[in-house]
Amino acid sequence: DQQVKQNSPSLSVQEGRISILNCDYTNSMFDYFLWYKKYPAEGPTFLISISSIKDKNEDGRFTVFLNKSAKHLSLHIVPSQPGDSAVYFCAASEKAGGNEKLTFGTGTRLTIIP
Amino acid sequence: ETGVTQTPRHLVMGMTNKKSLKCEQHLGHNAMYWYKQSAKKPLELMFVYSLEERVENNSVPSRFSPECPNSSHLFLHLHTLQPEDSALYLCASSHRQGYEQYFGPGTRLTVT
Repeated sequence: DQQVKQNSPSLSVQEGRISILNCDYTNSMFDYFLWYKKYPAEGPTFLISISSIKDKNEDGRFTVFLNKSAKHLSLHIVPSQPGDSAVYFCAASEKAGGNEKLTFGTGTRLTIIP
Repeated sequence: ETGVTQTPRHLVMGMTNKKSLKCEQHLGHNAMYWYKQSAKKPLELMFVYSLEERVENNSVPSRFSPECPNSSHLFLHLHTLQPEDSALYLCASSHRQGYEQYFGPGTRLTVT
């Protein structure tokens, strides 16, 4: 049973517009959420994160929103740029014995159309 | 070298072969991880090492054998693999008490 779900395998957005990537989770013990970005032939790179005590975190063009009651988080990218084309993974963590264990979603492929 | 490096980047092996994947991190982290990424599946955590001790083994078959000789190096020894073990194997590292994990580029493994 997948505890972290990204229901949209792909998304296309016009350059300059807003990209919204969604993620749902089922485990209420998750207390930290992360977004990773992956280019082909490279490993995932950390993008932005949010603690469960917050509902929003912003870093430049990237904002992550967390709705705990709905067990839903989203990543907003504005304005979208061609270099943002990549696969985006949502991940969630529950502290287990001091070593975080990340549970990943299946990813959403974002394509920015020039 | 900076960040997390993995060698080899590509590996083709037969089911009777023995090979090893290597990971090295240059970030001063003290926790290291092996993940498996198969097509259309989420990243699956295989092993976690913290301060060179294995703290997690996620029901991985014994044909995968990890080794962590020090906090900078991590190996995954492979023997008698099956074709369904073909996947991208990713190494990651982090601070023991931190959440963000930093990934290497992965080894694309094909078992024939």
